[in-house]
Amino acid sequence: DADVTQTPRNRITKTGKRIMLECSQTKGHDRMYWYRQDPGLGLRLIYYSFDVKDINKGEISDGYSVSRQAQAKFSLSLESAIPNQTALYFCATSHTGDVTGELFFGEGSRLTVL
Amino acid sequence: AQTVTQSQPEMSVQEAETVTLSCTYDTSENNYYLFWYKQPPSRQMILVIRQEAYKQQNATENRFSVNFQKAAKSFSLKISDSQLGDTAMYFCAFMKLYGGNQFYFGTGTSLTVIP
Repeated sequence: DADVTQTPRNRITKTGKRIMLECSQTKGHDRMYWYRQDPGLGLRLIYYSFDVKDINKGEISDGYSVSRQAQAKFSLSLESAIPNQTALYFCATSHTGDVTGELFFGEGSRLTVL
Repeated sequence: AQTVTQSQPEMSVQEAETVTLSCTYDTSENNYYLFWYKQPPSRQMILVIRQEAYKQQNATENRFSVNFQKAAKSFSLKISDSQLGDTAMYFCAFMKLYGGNQFYFGTGTSLTVIP
């Protein structure tokens, strides 16, 4: 089983619908991140969390919200999806004690908003 | 703010040949890490190689090596003896050592290995 699991892997929805992408990890890491990948733009940070009570906005947080339900779970919500939120979304984790800061990624959730 | 630039959107290489992917970055930080991540068609992001800015020696992982030029703020990836499985999108990334370990990614280079 993957260490960082994202659900759903693929989702098609309509404009205005509420969508939640979920991420769970078994790596025991304290830090979790949500990134968005668009062609020609690379990966951009949406939100990140360093522990359950710590939530921080990233580069492109508008239109998104997150919830850190437990150390192992970090969900991303789109309250009212719009077509330009069509993208590949990645959850990632890292550990404070790891000075190299390596990110470990889930397998991505492809979201299409019609 | 940190920026990472990959100026080659697409590249191709013949199987068994060597290819170099370019990456430049802009930062005022002195302590940081640089990474190359690989994203094959499966979408999974996989760490290829990592370089600590305080180390002068270039990192090497089997067929993958980097040319790290700190003064020039350049961090290129060399893939030797290219294999079909190297076909993927490659992302260069920068991470500050302090201040939240935030990563900054380049826009990626799509590499195709031709049989």
